[in-house]
Amino acid sequence: DSGVTQTPKHLITATGQRVTLRCSPRSGDLSVYWYQQSLDQGLQFLIQYYNGEERAKGNILERFSAQQFPDLHSELNLSSLELGDSALYFCASSALTEGGLLLGNEQFFGPGTRLTVL
Amino acid sequence: AQSVTQLDSHVSVSEGTPVLLRCNYSSSYSPSLFWYVQHPNKGLQLLLKYTSAATLVKGINGFEAEFKKSETSFHLTKPSAHMSDAAEYFCVVSHFSGGYNKLIFGAGTRLAVHP
Repeated sequence: DSGVTQTPKHLITATGQRVTLRCSPRSGDLSVYWYQQSLDQGLQFLIQYYNGEERAKGNILERFSAQQFPDLHSELNLSSLELGDSALYFCASSALTEGGLLLGNEQFFGPGTRLTVL
Repeated sequence: AQSVTQLDSHVSVSEGTPVLLRCNYSSSYSPSLFWYVQHPNKGLQLLLKYTSAATLVKGINGFEAEFKKSETSFHLTKPSAHMSDAAEYFCVVSHFSGGYNKLIFGAGTRLAVHP
């Protein structure tokens, strides 16, 4: 168990809908990352938040957005869903102090949310 | 720019025989390198990491990897495969800069273990 939790475990929805995926990082981790894993694209980095602020963006669509709350949990919002958005969505966290001192740059992954768009 | 290439998309071994999963990396800096494992319908679990200390890195479940700068390789090995090792393995290179910890994943190697 990595200490990162994600809910829900599975989500089935229809095209055009909007969903919210939730992630709680490991205790003490300030940095949260979102990834999408699909059969054709592999593991793709979407976005990173650090202590409530967006830090880096990867291959995230404009229909997708995320935020990190004061208690450090994060939500990934996916809207106007398309069939191609069906994938596993992972959240990860890593240990960075407020000063940016690197404690260990490995990321710890949650179990994922499997999204199926019908 | 950093990149990582896993040389085999599928590897099949018999239980009790050695495992070798090959990974080559490209990095402009001294890289941090990782191997993660993903069992079916599970999240990614860190197997081991290299961060410029010992070049031979021991991980969990009997896995180890050797960092070879001259060959830009970080191959994963295990002396004796177990059925529970069947999973997908990802070689990952990391770059940390300006508060951004970027992981670049290889395409993955699916390991099958036969009785």
